[in-house]
Amino acid sequence: AQTVTQSQPEMSVQEAETVTLSCTYDTSENNYYLFWYKQPPSRQMILVIRQEAYKQQNATENRFSVNFQKAAKSFSLKISDSQLGDTAMYFCAFDNTGNQFYFGTGTSLTVIP
Amino acid sequence: DAGVTQSPTHLIKTRGQHVTLRCSPISGHKSVSWYQQVLGQGPQFIFQYYEKEERGRGNFPDRFSARQFPNYSSELNVNALLLGDSALYLCASSLDGGIGNSPLHFGNGTRLTVT
Repeated sequence: AQTVTQSQPEMSVQEAETVTLSCTYDTSENNYYLFWYKQPPSRQMILVIRQEAYKQQNATENRFSVNFQKAAKSFSLKISDSQLGDTAMYFCAFDNTGNQFYFGTGTSLTVIP
Repeated sequence: DAGVTQSPTHLIKTRGQHVTLRCSPISGHKSVSWYQQVLGQGPQFIFQYYEKEERGRGNFPDRFSARQFPNYSSELNVNALLLGDSALYLCASSLDGGIGNSPLHFGNGTRLTVT
């Protein structure tokens, strides 16, 4: 079975600063996708960024980027120039079959004005 | 285009009752998945349906069942409700459910409280 671990239950960052959220996963598969989802108080899970395991280049989406270390099974999310609207729960997720996503327990991020 | 819509938004039920949750996927999406999110935890996979067929089932008891209709909308049914079924139930749709090519798009969820 695949497992996803987020070891930081809560984090905070000053507005405009940079923060990194950690995620590790365990799998014996070679072909898979990794995702970061954001869940604000409105409850809707929103896709932030995704990474294909066979691509060595780290994914980037505007202020969001990942550090994907396949051998270490690590997938961290870096948020640059943090904004108040980034305050939310962040979930790391793993998918290797297309029919079942495995989620971590989440990291609650607070951006401090 | 409308996103994934779920109804109802909130629901309060008594132990032993039955509940039906509904989900309409994004137009053009053929796959619907259901997840249970207990307070303070990440979502846990319950079911995935694609083209009206069950493609995957998580580690949930037989009290949980689901189906997908010809218009790709879906229902999640839970019988004999237990206090532990209290959670946010999330529906997600994707284009074809293929690995990674079609990430999940979530609705706002149904908050179920069992008393």
